[in-house]
Amino acid sequence: QQQVKQSPQSLIVQKGGISIINCAYENTAFDYFPWYQQFPGKGPALLIAIRPDVSEKKEGRFTISFNKSAKQFSLHIMDSQPGDSATYFCAASKETGANNLFFGTGTRLTVIP
Amino acid sequence: EADIYQTPRYLVIGTGKKITLECSQTMGHDKMYWYQQDPGMELHLIHYSYGVNSTEKGDLSSESTVSRIRTEHFPLTLESARPSHTSQYLCASSEYSGSYNEQFFGPGTRLTVL
Repeated sequence: QQQVKQSPQSLIVQKGGISIINCAYENTAFDYFPWYQQFPGKGPALLIAIRPDVSEKKEGRFTISFNKSAKQFSLHIMDSQPGDSATYFCAASKETGANNLFFGTGTRLTVIP
Repeated sequence: EADIYQTPRYLVIGTGKKITLECSQTMGHDKMYWYQQDPGMELHLIHYSYGVNSTEKGDLSSESTVSRIRTEHFPLTLESARPSHTSQYLCASSEYSGSYNEQFFGPGTRLTVL
């Protein structure tokens, strides 16, 4: 059973545009929601993360929006650049216990000049 | 420089061979993980370890085995490789403090079993 559902599978955005990737989860025990960025030939790297006590977190051009009641969270990339072209994975975990990460299926973002 | 290393990066091998994928980290992290990644699919956790002499199976059933004899080393072994084992294998590590911890990933090993 997939713990975190991610959409879209792929996304093409014009340079300067806004990229939006959405994720949804079912387990209400999850309380940590990171986004990872993966370039070809590399392992994923943490981009930004949020905890459910806030509804939004912004770091530079990257923003996470979190809707606890809907059990959804999304990544917004403002002023998208060709260098942002990568695969993005959302994930979720809980603080207690094994606190292993459950990943979404990934979104391949292509930013065209 | 703190980092996490995986070798080999690419491996093409015949059915029935025994293989070991190496993973080492220099960050002194207690917790280490092995993930399997296929195109268009989520990263599936196949093994993890809380520290030396600790190993646990992940969410995805795997025929591989792991060992943790040293903190920095977490090798994965397939006793008899099969074409169904063809995949990308990612190793990661994090500090273990019972709280949220960033996972640091290696570059991966792409395994092809003929």
